[in-house]
Amino acid sequence: DAGVIQSPRHEVTEMGQEVTLRCKPISGHNSLFWYRQTMMRGLELLIYFNNNVPIDDSGMPEDRFSAKMPNASFSTLKIQPSEPRDSAVYFCASSPSGQGGYGYTFGSGTRLTVV
Amino acid sequence: EDKVVQSPLSLVVHEGDTVTLNCSYEVTNFRSLLWYKQEKKAPTFLFMLTSSGIEKKSGRLSSILDKKELFSILNITATQTGDSAVYLCALDPIRDDKIIFGKGTRLHILP
Repeated sequence: DAGVIQSPRHEVTEMGQEVTLRCKPISGHNSLFWYRQTMMRGLELLIYFNNNVPIDDSGMPEDRFSAKMPNASFSTLKIQPSEPRDSAVYFCASSPSGQGGYGYTFGSGTRLTVV
Repeated sequence: EDKVVQSPLSLVVHEGDTVTLNCSYEVTNFRSLLWYKQEKKAPTFLFMLTSSGIEKKSGRLSSILDKKELFSILNITATQTGDSAVYLCALDPIRDDKIIFGKGTRLHILP
């Protein structure tokens, strides 16, 4: 298995532009998580899905952020419009349901820079 | 609110030293406490602790959980420059599949 695949690896964009981050979870993993990591705030959970349904989006910062999981093999995190404070590394992780943290596999992350 | 607090936030030691990283938490019910190592990319799994007082070991790394005092420690003996990384502690609450991370300890080992 290729693991959790995220794209792009790096994204540099201008303030106000739309940004879309993509994630392909491990086949058979029912839960998918989007995290954001900064030096100041550490690793924060933005949203998580179980069986393609959003379960907890309480970490989504504001209406500029949205996430979708149209099928079991693909998810997107969109920021529109982007702002410099959105600059961070965004990680996607997946796990089989019921295994919690033990089953987590992280993608390599997308480093987003908004200028 | 569930919380995981790690200390120190950063640490610089010389190669060969022993370090102890701390993790305290406020989570009512959880399945496990987890430790991860993060170098340049994604966090990688180190340990899962479920029972109080039982030490887990992997080479020079070891960890233990104290459910009464609500903390865990991660020890690294005879440190090497390859141990330089951010070490993350996380709790896995029973109620769902998400895990809650601390902010991490940034460890730098000087040659």
